[in-house]
Amino acid sequence: QVQLQESGPGLVKPSQTLSLTCTVSGGSISSGGYYWSWIRQHPGKGLEWIGYIYYSGSTYYNPSLKSRVTISVDTSKNQFSLKLSSVTAADTAVYYCARVNPTLRIYWGQGTLVTVSS
Amino acid sequence: QSALTQPASVSGSPGQSITISCTGTSSDVGGYNYVSWYQQHPGKAPKLMIYEVSNRPSGVSNRFSGSKSGNTASLTISGLQAEDEADYYCSSYTSSSPVVFGGGTKLTVL
Repeated sequence: QVQLQESGPGLVKPSQTLSLTCTVSGGSISSGGYYWSWIRQHPGKGLEWIGYIYYSGSTYYNPSLKSRVTISVDTSKNQFSLKLSSVTAADTAVYYCARVNPTLRIYWGQGTLVTVSS
Repeated sequence: QSALTQPASVSGSPGQSITISCTGTSSDVGGYNYVSWYQQHPGKAPKLMIYEVSNRPSGVSNRFSGSKSGNTASLTISGLQAEDEADYYCSSYTSSSPVVFGGGTKLTVL
């Protein structure tokens, strides 16, 4: 059974770049068929789709974040990553990595809280 | 992309049935049979409960069921139990972006 685990700093200063990595176990990113995704949840709020990457490297980003987001994949390490630049306090959230199949069955990592503060 | 519309809260007593609605448009809920429902307990990651409108993943209780009529999808929980108390989110494929989520519904078991 596939498992996803987020890792990265829990505290980021304003204007800096948030960087997170998701390590996938129990399945290969290279096998295709899934969209490897990042989703965030602001404290006490709902879910926000950030974007996804396919194993081939093709990406889709939420238009509201597109100018600041980069998602990349390292198939040799079975990992994919998120970079969000120029962060503000409004980017404080729990960030989830997830595996999404074409019919939108989402399987989630446990999530990691990232706080933006000086 | 506008979020799908869910009631902020619903409640029910143990043993009762409740239904949570998820209203979108013909560009999302009404246009595709790719509606999913997720359960989220406090401090935990969401868990897939229903996919493709009405299908349950292995291991999910048959007390959970899903349906859709027009632009509105629904999640019904029958035989309500204390452990069902959680937040519930719907999601749908959309023509403008891969996924849109509902705002979430807090279920309280009285």
